Amino acid sequence: DTAVSQTPKYLVTQMGNDKSIKCEQNLGHDTMYWYKQDSKKFLKIMFSYNNKELIINETVPNRFSPKSPDKAHLNLHINSLELGDSAVYFCASSQGYQETQYFGPGTRLLVL
Amino acid sequence: DQQVKQNSPSLSVQEGRISILNCDYTNSMFDYFLWYKKYPAEGPTFLISISSIKDKNEDGRFTVFLNKSAKHLSLHIVPSQPGDSAVYFCAASSYSTSGTYKYIFGTGTRLKVLA
Repeated sequence: DTAVSQTPKYLVTQMGNDKSIKCEQNLGHDTMYWYKQDSKKFLKIMFSYNNKELIINETVPNRFSPKSPDKAHLNLHINSLELGDSAVYFCASSQGYQETQYFGPGTRLLVL
Repeated sequence: DQQVKQNSPSLSVQEGRISILNCDYTNSMFDYFLWYKKYPAEGPTFLISISSIKDKNEDGRFTVFLNKSAKHLSLHIVPSQPGDSAVYFCAASSYSTSGTYKYIFGTGTRLKVLA
């Protein structure tokens, strides 16, 4: 009964490939987020969706495209993967904009 | 431009003693602050928060102090237990230009509680 789940947990791929990471929350929250934690351990927000509508879109290359098929899911698709995309990607959700965010376990992406 | 800073990358404390983790911020528009705890290979877990209208919030062994004039907050854990060993992230929230709030995280402090 994991609250926020992500698949896959690990992803190793070649440069230039396209990959997707899936996120699901069963908390009934209406806001979901994608964060990236880079090698320097900075945890930075990438996107935020509220009721399937894009709310926050930080300065992220347009190779990254989030998709929210419904309130409980927020997937992240990455085109033409680059070495610098290697990081841990965390999904999170909250009931409202300033409510506590609950994080998934992370997806460790390694681009070779 | 690091708006939230945790200048101590690591801290070791004896079991039973107090752990004090510090966090500094630069943006005076931040109005909500949080601490998250993170174990290896897991996502961050919410620990405690404080609104900018308060200077202290307590929850069991955990207390967060906010000094707005110094733009500083701290997390006190008393008494420290071995299970508290984790990375602690400070986060601050502000209203973004997109019309919503977003969290800005520090880089974390690794706490090790020695038995």
